[in-house]
Amino acid sequence: AQKVTQAQTEISVVEKEDVTLDCVYETRDTTYYLFWYKQPPSGELVFLIRRNSFDEQNEISGRYSWNFQKSTSSFNFTITASQVVDSAVYFCALSESGRRALTFGSGTRLQVQP
Amino acid sequence: KAGVTQTPRYLIKTRGQQVTLSCSPISGHRSVSWYQQTPGQGLQFLFEYFSETQRNKGNFPGRFSGRQFSNSRSEMNVSTLELGDSALYLCASSLEGGLASYEQYFGPGTRLTVT
Repeated sequence: AQKVTQAQTEISVVEKEDVTLDCVYETRDTTYYLFWYKQPPSGELVFLIRRNSFDEQNEISGRYSWNFQKSTSSFNFTITASQVVDSAVYFCALSESGRRALTFGSGTRLQVQP
Repeated sequence: KAGVTQTPRYLIKTRGQQVTLSCSPISGHRSVSWYQQTPGQGLQFLFEYFSETQRNKGNFPGRFSGRQFSNSRSEMNVSTLELGDSALYLCASSLEGGLASYEQYFGPGTRLTVT
């Protein structure tokens, strides 16, 4: 069975601080896919990134960066110079090869104070 | 390109009634998945449809069902509603084929309240 753990329930930072959201996963599959989604107060889940298990290259997109470490089964998400608009609940998710079903973590609520 | 649309956005039903929720995927997306989000259980996968066939199913009772039409639009139905069915129901669509097919794009959800 697969599992995604986001140990940080809520994080509060002041604008312009860097913040890292942790994600640890469990799966028996050798091929799998990891995701991060953002859920603003409006409720819609916004896709941020997909990472394949066979590609451990880290990725940077603007102020966002992702660190995938297979050795520790982690897929952490860093926001650099946070902004108030980054305030949302962030979900890490996993799907196994051949299946579209996403297993979500419990989410981390990020509050960025001005 | 228009995103995933879901109707209605809000719904109030009484225990014992049934409800049907609708989802229109992004144009060109042929796979549709449904998820339930509650404060207690979080986000849970309900089922996935592709080419009018249920391809995967989550761990939900038979009261939860769905279908997909030839134009890829999907509906989900919950019969004999219980108070615990109160939730945000999210629909997601994805392409078919290739690694990008694992990326799911979500609609705004339908907020169901059962009284």
